[in-house]
Amino acid sequence: QLQLQESGPGLVKPSETLSLICTVSGGSISSSSYYWGWIRQPPGKGLEWIGSIYYSGSTYYNPSLKSRVTISVDRSKNQFSLKVSSVTAADTAVYYCARHNPFGDSPGFVYYYMDVWGKGTTVTVSS
Amino acid sequence: QSVLTQPPSVSGAPGQRVTISCTGSSSNIGASYGVHWYQQLPGTAPKLLIYANINRPSGVPDRFSGSKSGTSASLAITGLQAEDEADYYCQSYDTSLSGYVFGTGTKVTVL
Repeated sequence: QLQLQESGPGLVKPSETLSLICTVSGGSISSSSYYWGWIRQPPGKGLEWIGSIYYSGSTYYNPSLKSRVTISVDRSKNQFSLKVSSVTAADTAVYYCARHNPFGDSPGFVYYYMDVWGKGTTVTVSS
Repeated sequence: QSVLTQPPSVSGAPGQRVTISCTGSSSNIGASYGVHWYQQLPGTAPKLLIYANINRPSGVPDRFSGSKSGTSASLAITGLQAEDEADYYCQSYDTSLSGYVFGTGTKVTVL
C-alpha cells in the first residue's frame, strides 16, 4: 500500500534553510488525482498546513509562511521536497508529508482530505 | 492562529458517548467545504478518521461518526474505549486564506 517517508537533517541553525524530502512508495506521485503536501506540529501544539503541490509542479502555500517556503516535485525519484528559509526557533516542529485525496459531491466542486501520512520527522532549530 | 475552534478537552467513562465540536465560519465550513477529522495517538502521526463530513475510511470503527450543520461540525464517539484516548483535529479549506486549516485540537480522556 502507499507509504510516505520524510527525511532530512534533524538539526538546523537559525537563519539557515531547512530542507526535507518526502519519498512516496507503493504508488506514483505522478497520478493526476492527488496533491501532496507538508504539515508541521510544534512541540505540544496543533497541526499547521505548510503547503501543497501537484505532480505538474503547481503549488499553493500557507500565506503566513509563503515568503519563506518552497515546495518542489521530482517525478523521476517519486519524491517531493520542502525548503523553509531563514528559520528561527519557531520553526522547530515535527514535519509530516501527506497525500491529498479529492472528494467531490457536486459537479465541478472538489476538495481534498489528507488520507495517507508519513510518520513525521523532528526538526530542531538551534545553534 | 487556527480558524477552526475546538474544545481543548473532553472526557468520558468507558462505554459513554462524547462529542467534539468544530466551529468555523462562512469562509470555510459554511462555504460548503467538507470537514475531515483526524485522530492522533500519543507520539504518532495523525490518522484520517472521517472525511467529507460523514464518511469513514475502511478500517475505522463505526463508533466514530461525523456531522455538519451550517458553520460547524461534530465528531461523536460512542461506546468510548481506552484506546480512543488521543488528540482529535478537524480540518477544512478556507477561501479567505486559499488553503487548508486545522482545528485547535481536542484531547479526549477516558476516565
